[in-house]
Amino acid sequence: VLTQSPGTLSVSPGQRATLSCRASQTVNSNLAWYQQKPGQAPRLLIYAASTRATGVPARFSGSGSGTEFTLTISSLQSEDFAVYYCQQYNYWPSFTFGPGTKVDIK
Amino acid sequence: QGLLVQSGAEVKKPGASVSVSCQASGYSFSTYYMHWVRQAPGQGLEWMGMINPSGGSATSAPMFQDRLTVTRDTSTSTVSMELSSLRSDDTAVYYCARATPGTSAFDIWGQGTKVTVSS
Repeated sequence: VLTQSPGTLSVSPGQRATLSCRASQTVNSNLAWYQQKPGQAPRLLIYAASTRATGVPARFSGSGSGTEFTLTISSLQSEDFAVYYCQQYNYWPSFTFGPGTKVDIK
Repeated sequence: QGLLVQSGAEVKKPGASVSVSCQASGYSFSTYYMHWVRQAPGQGLEWMGMINPSGGSATSAPMFQDRLTVTRDTSTSTVSMELSSLRSDDTAVYYCARATPGTSAFDIWGQGTKVTVSS
């Protein structure tokens, strides 16, 4: 089971955002982060806990291993306001998602 | 890089079945596992199942075990999923997604197919 906190994060543009994902048991580094905007499919941001996917800006970074993970957006841009999901793929073939964190404008 | 194009929206009655297709292009179809994920209105993402396009073996999440069938057609680079015995709580957007080899993160997603189950 993946737990994400906070449920909603209100941040001003240009500020830093820190999102948390916690696993009920170790997922090693087999964790991904996705961004989803309204009416769009999710977009892969981070895989293997800390590797940015192709084309993802450097302001997005992932860290952690085992059961505690963090997605950091160093300086929020207007296009970053969205819902962010973590996903584990350690327990193949089970690929569970967290409930999501909504990042909105403060 | 790759592109996944899904079939159009569907409206079904309870108890019926629905089939959604996902055609891949721009990459070697047989190399990447394909997954199905759904999202009920206002809710999060739920993994449903996957298929190995190379051999055709498919696996479903336990909650869909008896109702979900995932198939592939290598001649058209298309993966399809069929969900049977539909209920109102199957109303959702259904996505196909390609898994990156070696990590199983989903790097390319289809545009989504809205399925509405209503009497």
